[in-house]
Amino acid sequence: AQSVTQLGSHVSVSEGALVLLRCNYSSSVPPYLFWYVQYPNQGLQLLLKYTSAATLVKGINGFEAEFKKSETSFHLTKPSAHMSDAAEYFCAVSAGSSGNKLVFGAGTILRVKS
Amino acid sequence: DTEVTQTPKHLVMGMTNKKSLKCEQHMGHRAMYWYKQKAKKPPELMFVYSYEKLSINESVPSRFSPECPNSSLLNLHLHALQPEDSALYLCASSQEAALAGGPNEQFFGPGTRLTVL
Repeated sequence: AQSVTQLGSHVSVSEGALVLLRCNYSSSVPPYLFWYVQYPNQGLQLLLKYTSAATLVKGINGFEAEFKKSETSFHLTKPSAHMSDAAEYFCAVSAGSSGNKLVFGAGTILRVKS
Repeated sequence: DTEVTQTPKHLVMGMTNKKSLKCEQHMGHRAMYWYKQKAKKPPELMFVYSYEKLSINESVPSRFSPECPNSSLLNLHLHALQPEDSALYLCASSQEAALAGGPNEQFFGPGTRLTVL
């Protein structure tokens, strides 16, 4: 079975500061990993995905994430936060087993201060 | 077209009403999903359709009845709901590769905000 842990239900950064949202996964088989963003009262939008090609994955809106197998982590970063980045972020894993379901973390709400 | 559409955007219904939520995608995806999302929580999987057949039902109460009329459409029929069923209902779809164990990259619609009075 797969699981995802997101450390920190709320993260607050100043505009222009580094954004770091943490995600650790558990999987008995090589995982596929995803970061989604959700703005209030909207659906989920895919930011980026890891599918076993490059370990450093670049996504939309200046976000990137690095897959570290030894640390079972897939942390999301952005060098400089913008006010429009304020949203909820979900890390998710699928692994080709257990019906290949997408298993979500609990989510991290990002607040950007001006 | 890389979009999943959902109608209606908002729905208010009484506990004795019957209503339906609709979802449509034209990306040729062969897997479609219904999720329920409560405030400040991740989406919870309800149903999965693979090649228009129900493949996963996450022990959802029978007052929720899914239907997949064709490969592009997914409905969720609602009857005799409870106030605790109020939530954002999300539809998603994914490519055929996900059904064969590939990356289950799902594309989500904007959701239907359901309020049960």
